[in-house]
Amino acid sequence: DIQMTQSPSSLSASVGDSVTITCRASQTIGIYLNWYQHKTGKAPKLLICAASSLQSGVPSRFSGGGSGTHFTLTISSLQPEDFATYYCQQSYSAYSFGQGTKLEIK
Amino acid sequence: QITLKESGPTLVKPTQTLTLTCSFSGFSLSTIEVGVGWIRQPPGKALEWLALIYWDDDKRYSPSLKSRLTIAKDTSKSQVVLTMTNMDPVDTATYYCARITACLGMDFWGQGTTVTVSS
Repeated sequence: DIQMTQSPSSLSASVGDSVTITCRASQTIGIYLNWYQHKTGKAPKLLICAASSLQSGVPSRFSGGGSGTHFTLTISSLQPEDFATYYCQQSYSAYSFGQGTKLEIK
Repeated sequence: QITLKESGPTLVKPTQTLTLTCSFSGFSLSTIEVGVGWIRQPPGKALEWLALIYWDDDKRYSPSLKSRLTIAKDTSKSQVVLTMTNMDPVDTATYYCARITACLGMDFWGQGTTVTVSS
């Protein structure tokens, strides 16, 4: 099994701030890494696939990077609608999610 | 327009088998590189991937749940069915199905269906 570990588990930030969430894989996964935004009561939303490919309609303030075992999701200039829980997901060997990072308003 | 919708029982008893159906429209599971996956989220916990099936009938399962899960597709009906045996209260969760794209992300999701396991 490939284990995905996100850090931090929670994060407080203000509108306009830039934040970075890290995701580490227990073994190398190339760029088979996706990022999701999840708000309570709604279905998760795919932000980025293949580590850095921004999905259509996702604002450019979201960016992803990394390869192998270390990946990042950066949100620049946070907007009120960005406060949510973020998950990484590997798709290299079956699938698995990280434990999530809850982004809260400071 | 791509849509997916989960259906099934809202309440099951411990030891029973859960059968969930994902009905979708706007895409075909006979299209190369397309798949459908199942994911769940227990109350207050993280997302957990369960199973997926690809256009070519390739199936993958969560290693920790593999012995309890079966996934199948009916391309003509645009449906994917997930069965989970020996249900337990810890399986109480919102269950989602989602389309898998060529980049292997899940780009369209159903609204989710809540399943409670209780006697």
